[in-house]
Amino acid sequence: EPEVTQTPSHQVTQMGQEVILRCVPISNHLYFYWYRQILGQKVEFLVSFYNNEISEKSEIFDDQFSVERPDGSNFTLKIRSTKLEDSAMYFCASSDRLAGPPTDTQYFGPGTRLTVL
Amino acid sequence: GIQVEQSPPDLILQEGANSTLRCNFSDSVNNLQWFHQNPWGQLINLFYIPSGTKQNGRLSATTVATERYSLLYISSSQTTDSGVYFCAVSGYSSASKIIFGSGTRLSIRP
Repeated sequence: EPEVTQTPSHQVTQMGQEVILRCVPISNHLYFYWYRQILGQKVEFLVSFYNNEISEKSEIFDDQFSVERPDGSNFTLKIRSTKLEDSAMYFCASSDRLAGPPTDTQYFGPGTRLTVL
Repeated sequence: GIQVEQSPPDLILQEGANSTLRCNFSDSVNNLQWFHQNPWGQLINLFYIPSGTKQNGRLSATTVATERYSLLYISSSQTTDSGVYFCAVSGYSSASKIIFGSGTRLSIRP
């Protein structure tokens, strides 16, 4: 069964450093997402991406964050100048609606645990 | 935005017991998913169920969209069912993001 993959599974970085989290969505999916989950809390939406541009973003997704689809398979989340409070599990997801608002299932990757020291 | 409330927040059961988890949401939705977060943190899709009833083995789910709630049923619980169960919805006004509830932490004792 096709699945979303994410690398690395765990990333440790120093405060102020830049990190790039990588995702390979399911191959025929057109909508891509990033979510985060701070330890012990609920999953929060960060950003959605369709047709090479951001569709929607939350108030969390400020200028520190950016997303990119550098090629036909990868989808990345870049966090510039990481802060301690960026420590969280980051999930990538994708869905396969061909047009219009995505209303089908979002499939989540296994997550990247980011630890900022 | 849409509010999602799950109950109970915690549930401890003996192996073999049945359970019902509830998700209430504050507005009309075009997407509702149930997830199981296992002890390793992975989010496993259980159901995509914006309305109606679905069953998959020992798990079933019902969403009554007009009354803005969904129920997840787990029968004959096993220790591997332990973890956190999340309900997540998206609304018509903001269809590309899903809003998660706070989850129900289920612990199944052997």
